[in-house]
Amino acid sequence: NAGVTQTPKFQVLKTGQSMTLQCAQDMNHNSMYWYRQDPGMGLRLIYYSASEGTTDKGEVPNGYNVSRLNKREFSLRLESAAPSQTSVYFCASSPGWADTQYFGPGTRLTVL
Amino acid sequence: AQTVTQSQPEMSVQEAETVTLSCTYDTSESDYYLFWYKQPPSRQMILVIRQEAYKQQNATENRFSVNFQKAAKSFSLKISDSQLGDAAMYFCAYRTSPQAAGNKLTFGGGTRVLVKP
Repeated sequence: NAGVTQTPKFQVLKTGQSMTLQCAQDMNHNSMYWYRQDPGMGLRLIYYSASEGTTDKGEVPNGYNVSRLNKREFSLRLESAAPSQTSVYFCASSPGWADTQYFGPGTRLTVL
Repeated sequence: AQTVTQSQPEMSVQEAETVTLSCTYDTSESDYYLFWYKQPPSRQMILVIRQEAYKQQNATENRFSVNFQKAAKSFSLKISDSQLGDAAMYFCAYRTSPQAAGNKLTFGGGTRVLVKP
């Protein structure tokens, strides 16, 4: 039982490049989330998926898109990366809508 | 919108001693959840403890306990018998009630805990 896994662990992009961050969970959780953490700050919600087939914007969705591929996987895409998107990205999941969230190990993204 | 404030950027504690981290929040809701998460250097976010607002009894998990003061909107974390492995960033987080739209966590800015041997 790996919990929540994220790939890649590190990534460096140039401004304007695109990439997709992958997240998968093997706990049969219904809800999944994407957060970003900037230096010295707490996490901020980018997008979430309350259940398979649904996605909604969080606090800071601009510049991102998401796909809930199936119950296990929830990807985050940067179409045209900007230096302001340099951050650590965390994926999380929870059994249900109102349950405690469990986090992945994070992806450190640098945009030059 | 809810806000969460952690006023202590860094706290230092001697091994085996006790340290208390403060957290205050602002909300107009009566039903909500509060959490403390630990983030060690590995960056993984680990749930330490959670508190339901409707429960008057303070939550406890082994050496970790909270002091929940609903009227004062205060939610402090006490770490007893501190161990070297407790060194990490600690984040206080607020979550809206299940009936509200979304299961969104709002985080405070974090408190770094240093443990001295």
